[in-house]
Parts: sequence; C-alpha cells; structure tokens
Amino acid sequence: GQQLNQSPQSMFIQEGEDVSMNCTSSSIFNTWLWYKQDPGEGPVLLIALYKAGELTSNGRLTAQFGITRKDSFLNISASIPSDVGIYFCAGHNTDKLIFGTGTRLQVFP
Amino acid sequence: KAGVTQTPRYLIKTRGQQVTLSCSPISGHRSVSWYQQTPGQGLQFLFEYFSETQRNKGNFPGRFSGRQFSNSRSEMNVSTLELGDSALYLCASSYGTGATEAFFGQGTRLTVV
Repeated sequence: GQQLNQSPQSMFIQEGEDVSMNCTSSSIFNTWLWYKQDPGEGPVLLIALYKAGELTSNGRLTAQFGITRKDSFLNISASIPSDVGIYFCAGHNTDKLIFGTGTRLQVFP
Repeated sequence: KAGVTQTPRYLIKTRGQQVTLSCSPISGHRSVSWYQQTPGQGLQFLFEYFSETQRNKGNFPGRFSGRQFSNSRSEMNVSTLELGDSALYLCASSYGTGATEAFFGQGTRLTVV
C-alpha cells in the first residue's frame, strides 16, 4: 500500500533536547495529521493542519503544513522521557488517510 | 465522552480459522475505518464504512471484509487465516467520511499460529 516518506526513521536524544521530523509525499494533501503511538496502543492524534503554510502548536509540539502541500514538519521542544514512542504523519486527500512510515523516538535522561 | 472501543484486545487463532473483530466508535461519529499494522508494512488501510456503506477499500484480499451497523458500530472479519495476518488491527472513527481527524482505538492484537 501507499505510504509517505518520513524521516528520520529513528532518533536517540537526551532529555531536554529539541526534536525535528518531517514527512514528504509525491502527492498533494488537503490535511496533514500527526499521531503518537505508544507500544501496544493505538495512535493518538497530536495535531491537525488544514491549510498550506499553517503553523500549529500543542504545548511543546509545533507542526507545519508545507507550502507545496506535499510535506509537513513536527518539532518537539525540550523533550522529556514520556515523549518516547513512534510518531506518524498522515496525509488526507479526498477519500482516505495515508500514513507515514513512522519515526521512533527514544529519550534518555 | 468515551473513546473508540475495540474488542477483544488480544486474540490467538490457528491457520484456516476465521475471526471477527469489533469496533465501537466515538458517540456521534458515523465513519469507521480499519487499518492493519505490522512492523514491516506500517499502517495499511483496509476499508472505511460510513452510514452502513463501504466507502473505500484498500488493497487487501477478499478474505478481509467488514460491515457497519445502524448504530455505527463496525465489525471486520478475516476468513481462512494465514500466518501473515498476524498484526495489530486498528479501528479509527471520525465524524464524517474520508477519515479526517480520525481517532483510534487501542487495537486488537491478532496472532495466527
């Protein structure tokens, strides 16, 4: 099935550091979503973006909808141990969500 | 407001058997989508139901089927199970069709032995 390119695949960072990850596609999307998944659980919606260029924050998380509508970025500031998990982007076109390959984040104290 | 509820959480089946998984969406949501998640393939879209009608279908064999009831609850069925069907099956609900801002359940972990 179709998947979006998400990078990096994994990150190992120290508590307090900032994190950046991105998602790219060959297709244009109308909506970009960012999810976080803990082991054995379903993904939890973090941020939704609806307009090209839009920048939205949710606490320490900030996400942007790329101007070309083919990419999106997620930043996490001042990481903490509970940020550990897998982060997925998802793009929505006219009929369904397409998910990224995921970025696995590890935070060390 | 209760979230998306999936039952059962865990399931072990043998090859050749069939299985039915259940999903109760968030109250007021009429769209239910199903995804298969495996380590190698990531999150793959199975199908979406809205108002008891299948609106979209992913690229899975006909052994995978689903339905939605008038109360928006949904079930998915996998017949003639194969070892490769072992996965986390996730259900997502959203208010409208097309699964914008989808909210996921905890998933059903299916193991086929």
